[in-house]
Amino acid sequence: DTAVSQTPKYLVTQMGNDKSIKCEQNLGHDTMYWYKQDSKKFLKIMFSYNNKELIINETVPNRFSPKSPDKAHLNLHINSLELGDSAVYFCASSQDWTGGLGNTEAFFGQGTRLTVV
Amino acid sequence: GQQVMQIPQYQHVQEGEDFTTYCNSSTTLSNIQWYKQRPGGHPVFLIQLVKSGEVKKQKRLTFQFGEAKKNSSLHITATQTTDVGTYFCAGGVNYGQNFVFGPGTRLSVLP
Repeated sequence: DTAVSQTPKYLVTQMGNDKSIKCEQNLGHDTMYWYKQDSKKFLKIMFSYNNKELIINETVPNRFSPKSPDKAHLNLHINSLELGDSAVYFCASSQDWTGGLGNTEAFFGQGTRLTVV
Repeated sequence: GQQVMQIPQYQHVQEGEDFTTYCNSSTTLSNIQWYKQRPGGHPVFLIQLVKSGEVKKQKRLTFQFGEAKKNSSLHITATQTTDVGTYFCAGGVNYGQNFVFGPGTRLSVLP
């Protein structure tokens, strides 16, 4: 069983469209994240949710809207896609958000490669 | 804001040679994590260091956290082709959930 699964794996779409990426984790973790990895492989956190509540919202355009219907799911909706949104988006989860001694090991999904044309 | 840097950006080694990547933070860290990402893959957690001066080993991999908790290193002894990938450090502040990732070191191992 895949621990953190994202769909779709690949997404090619035109500028201006709206798209969603879904993420589910079956690890029973309390915290989920969205990361963006650009063409230079920089990994940058976008959002973090703990028990369905938003706890981190980095400087991300408000065209990006995360939604967590329950603790096991964190979806990412993107409005009015732009060329610069092309990247690999990773969902991840960790047991806890308070960190400390090992609870924040992050398990990443396989990634969604978004290409905006 | 907090910045995490890694050097080198790229490293090409012959199989059997050793490899080291260094991670430096602009601020004192509470803990640091290391991840490995194979080409085309996703980041996979390797280890977390918490204590000042901590050293941990995993087979051929040795991880070190600096005394000032502002830097860390990953050393691989006798590299193998399976070590190929990008190694990221991720620094945490106040044991928070927001880890700042370094830019990564991309390792190539020539057989």
